[in-house]
Amino acid sequence: RKEVEQDPGPFNVPEGATVAFNCTYSNSASQSFFWYRQDCRKEPKLLMSVYSSGNEDGRFTAQLNRASQYISLLIRDSKLSDSATYLCVVNQGGTSYGKLTFGQGTILTVHP
Amino acid sequence: DAGVTQSPTHLIKTRGQHVTLRCSPISGHKSVSWYQQVLGQGPQFIFQYYEKEERGRGNFPDRFSARQFPNYSSELNVNALLLGDSALYLCASSSAGQGGSNQPQHFGDGTRLSIL
Repeated sequence: RKEVEQDPGPFNVPEGATVAFNCTYSNSASQSFFWYRQDCRKEPKLLMSVYSSGNEDGRFTAQLNRASQYISLLIRDSKLSDSATYLCVVNQGGTSYGKLTFGQGTILTVHP
Repeated sequence: DAGVTQSPTHLIKTRGQHVTLRCSPISGHKSVSWYQQVLGQGPQFIFQYYEKEERGRGNFPDRFSARQFPNYSSELNVNALLLGDSALYLCASSSAGQGGSNQPQHFGDGTRLSIL
């Protein structure tokens, strides 16, 4: 089983749509969680951290369910500029605090 | 402020050669991590250095090595290059110290390495 699993998609949605991405992780001791965004042939960029209480940043909402080891990202009112690969990322913390474990990435294409 | 900088941006090598990739972290960041990303996959962790010491190592062969300098910049070395080493090599820096997993890592543009 992969440490972090995501549906690779691709997701093709029209502008204005709401889209949700899901992610599961295998290590119950994991401590920190993030969503990164990666544009084609570019570096990953931090989109947002994910907290158990859930957090929102504009059109983006992230949720964490530690009991189910499940992370989600919701994008509302999709824009063309949201087209990218979205990476679910987990950090186990402790002595492995410098290691990020990435999912495969979910490809999103927003069309006019 | 400058972000994480990596050099070179692109590199073409042949099998059996060795390569050195360089990374300068964000000013004030003491932790540097290296990742390999092959097409269609998420980045895979190679090494982490903090205060010039190796603090983590991923599942990569001994052909891969790294070091960190007193100014916190870092080098990744790969010997005896194989075709499968063709990938985007990413460096990330963080302000995190021991146990600081909540601090996000910030990535450089990467070095795209092609092995012929």
